[in-house]
Amino acid sequence: LAKTTQPISMDSYEGQEVNITCSHNNIATNDYITWYQQFPSQGPRFIIQGYKTKVTNEVASLFIPADRKSSTLSLPRVSLSDTAVYYCLDTGNTPLVFGKGTRLSVIA
Amino acid sequence: NAGVTQTPKFRVLKTGQSMTLLCAQDMNHEYMYWYRQDPGMGLRLIHYSVGEGTTAKGEVPDGYNVSRLKKQNFLLGLESAAPSQTSVYFCASTNRGEAGELFFGEGSRLTVL
Repeated sequence: LAKTTQPISMDSYEGQEVNITCSHNNIATNDYITWYQQFPSQGPRFIIQGYKTKVTNEVASLFIPADRKSSTLSLPRVSLSDTAVYYCLDTGNTPLVFGKGTRLSVIA
Repeated sequence: NAGVTQTPKFRVLKTGQSMTLLCAQDMNHEYMYWYRQDPGMGLRLIHYSVGEGTTAKGEVPDGYNVSRLKKQNFLLGLESAAPSQTSVYFCASTNRGEAGELFFGEGSRLTVL
């Protein structure tokens, strides 16, 4: 069973910043927090990973509080091409189990 | 660099037929995984392997068998296909110590009539 909880869906207008929050109530000490993006008819794609505080790359930012019980994926100024399903996972040395993810719909 | 390649990409089977899905990776990865994804659902782990010659069950292993005879290949077999196995199958791989960053194939769409 997936160890994380996230909203089923979100809508946003183009150009807005989107924040998707995930609960990691069962995260282990040595687990990282990882986010994936999946477009229709494609396999998931790694977006970003972090352990604590803030991580930023060319695609997104990831915010992780000190207790690591939640994480927030931030997508700046979304476009229609950001419409996808986003998954958050606890990732360590165990096989990765995906939940149902958050379906983000970007509206023009 | 091809990454993760799945064959076939599409297949239609009749109930009771058998088939094998092949996953090949050229990144020298230790870990390999098979997932299935039903319409509107997340990915569910079928079987996985942490190295050549090893396999382990995931969340939904029933009706499937796997083999990892060579490090670069991970085979998923259906001995007697059932309509409930109609799905899109994804293979993924990664290295030991980098378990969070999976590289996925393009998927194999299987329909069982």
